[in-house]
Amino acid sequence: EAQVTQNPRYLITVTGKKLTVTCSQNMNHEYMSWYRQDPGLGLRQIYYSMNVEVTDKGDVPEGYKVSRKEKRNFPLILESPSPNQTSLYFCASSSPAGNTDTQYFGPGTRLTVL
Amino acid sequence: ELKVEQNPLFLSMQEGKNYTIYCNYSTTSDRLYWYRQDPGKSLESLFVLLSNGAVKQEGRLMASLDTKARLSTLHITAAVHDLSATYFCAVGPVTGANSKLTFGKGITLSVRP
Repeated sequence: EAQVTQNPRYLITVTGKKLTVTCSQNMNHEYMSWYRQDPGLGLRQIYYSMNVEVTDKGDVPEGYKVSRKEKRNFPLILESPSPNQTSLYFCASSSPAGNTDTQYFGPGTRLTVL
Repeated sequence: ELKVEQNPLFLSMQEGKNYTIYCNYSTTSDRLYWYRQDPGKSLESLFVLLSNGAVKQEGRLMASLDTKARLSTLHITAAVHDLSATYFCAVGPVTGANSKLTFGKGITLSVRP
């Protein structure tokens, strides 16, 4: 089954404790992105990647890091989480080919930073 | 900077009636996406509109794109309860990379009997 998976789905942590949220897709997509969703703000892009070893900042990259060492994986790293990073995070993947070039979203990771 | 506005932000719909919701964006683009999100769930792709005048229909929903007016509309025919959800539009850059999308804040639709 074609899908984007994220782990963990829920995480409660404390300020300053490094964490990684994993994202994996099995559709051989070139593009992958991370978004955060906050009430009243919609979805805002954190980082995106157009291929292996090619990443770029989205609209709200501060406090986050990403890497794209393999095509299928795109982990989101919070080196020193702070309470303002409490949010719902979505990973998405897509392919540039064809007329169905939509993004496929993972199930989401709800992060709480105390 | 690309801005995407959706209105209204909340719409209470009566079952069986027709409604239209709007998505405006601020800079040139020829690709627009509509997504649906149910409470507590992820986003599901509804429509991909890739050119001026594009019209797509699925069931009771029909989406269109006017790139000259920088406007997309989502028309709902004979609303039913199952359509209650939040609908997001997203706009991509004119260069075509769908990896860099800017989303609107979403419109929450609630269908009442």
